Amino acid sequence: DTGVSQNPRHKITKRGQNVTFRCDPISEHNRLYWYRQTLGQGPEFLTYFQNEAQLEKSRLLSDRFSAERPKGSFSTLEIQRTEQGDSAMYLCASSSGRADTQYFGPGTRLTVL
Amino acid sequence: GESVGLHLPTLSVQEGDNSIINCAYSNSASDYFIWYKQESGKGPQFIIDIRSNMDKRQGQRVTVLLNKTVKHLSLQIAATQPGDSAVYFCAERRGPNFNKFYFGSGTKLNVKP
Repeated sequence: DTGVSQNPRHKITKRGQNVTFRCDPISEHNRLYWYRQTLGQGPEFLTYFQNEAQLEKSRLLSDRFSAERPKGSFSTLEIQRTEQGDSAMYLCASSSGRADTQYFGPGTRLTVL
Repeated sequence: GESVGLHLPTLSVQEGDNSIINCAYSNSASDYFIWYKQESGKGPQFIIDIRSNMDKRQGQRVTVLLNKTVKHLSLQIAATQPGDSAVYFCAERRGPNFNKFYFGSGTKLNVKP
């Protein structure tokens, strides 16, 4: 069990560019979650997958954001036409169907200039 | 609106003392709670959890207490060590689908040597 991994760890981009982040959950975890965390705040839920199905999306996830989990394993989060307000830490977590505990990855720190 | 909150944003304790971090929640439908520890630049790390049908759970040096009557959660850390310095979040899982967690803004714990 290598834990949840996320890539890249840091991303600096210019406003208007598209960015994509990847999350590899703990093997055999069928549930995967994306959260966003800004400085001094707790993580905020963005979206949730059970296997490859995206079952819930927060209203925080505007139409510039899209997430996929095509084979029910890794997931990607894409932000199109980035804005400075998108600067944050993007966290991924996973859990198994038998237990509810969510385990987090190290996050991807996005800075939009 | 309903939210998870923390009474104290910063807590300073002497090394070796016990620490108590508090958390208030307002949703009586919440059925599961987790305490996470987050160090600077890292993702939240699971510490201990408790379900709503319990009022106390103990781990190694940590104890979580749940008082459903007043909707209060606390994390007790025994013999606090410098390595315990971090931000601590409580997270509650709410209905109706119980698929996501809501986090408070966190309490920063400073351990003085």
